[in-house]
Amino acid sequence: EVQLLESGGGLVQPGGSLRLSCAASGFTFSSYTMSWVRQAAGKGLEWVSAITSSDGRTYYADSVKGRFTISRDNSKNTLYVQMNSLRVEDTAVYYCAKGGRLTDIWGQGTLVTVSS
Amino acid sequence: DAVMTQSPLSLPVTLGQPASISCRSSQSLVYSDGNTYLSWFQQRPGQSPRRLIYQVSNRDSGVPDRFSGSGSGTDFTLKISRVEAEDVGVYYCMQGTHWTYTFGQGTKVEIK
Repeated sequence: EVQLLESGGGLVQPGGSLRLSCAASGFTFSSYTMSWVRQAAGKGLEWVSAITSSDGRTYYADSVKGRFTISRDNSKNTLYVQMNSLRVEDTAVYYCAKGGRLTDIWGQGTLVTVSS
Repeated sequence: DAVMTQSPLSLPVTLGQPASISCRSSQSLVYSDGNTYLSWFQQRPGQSPRRLIYQVSNRDSGVPDRFSGSGSGTDFTLKISRVEAEDVGVYYCMQGTHWTYTFGQGTKVEIK
């Protein structure tokens, strides 16, 4: 069974940093593009970032470009996103998702709250 | 970015009756490989999104056959042939053709 387990969320002050992790199991992690998608409370879904499987190319939404860095460790079957210079508007549940343009399985999400 | 516009945003439905959700893209979703990367997701209250349909009309494993997807180019539709109580939730279309991938605003399906 495919499983994605996010961790690392929490409360952080504006301007602060946080690193989210996503532990994957049940599939060949190294063969798939992986993504982060977020959802503010009561709002819709917003794609944040993606990283390809083969060459590790990275993609970012304009709203996080220059502040977030996505990475992966295929030896640990783990996806990361380093979030710097956090803003109040980054407050959301962050989902790890298997795949990119054909994303299918999502984790349960981890809540990031940016507030003073 | 390709802007995805769903309608309606709220859809009250009687149990056993059909439902239809429209999704329109500001750009053609035909990718350079000839495929159209349009998916539909269901998000039940308090849950993560679950993919129902990929590449316009392909139903995911375990998805009831009352769900179907159709369309081409910029216009797409998700249909539920007979709504059941477990179908309550928010439905999103998503395009995976143009980066940044984008979602529609969501359509809330509720029982009348």
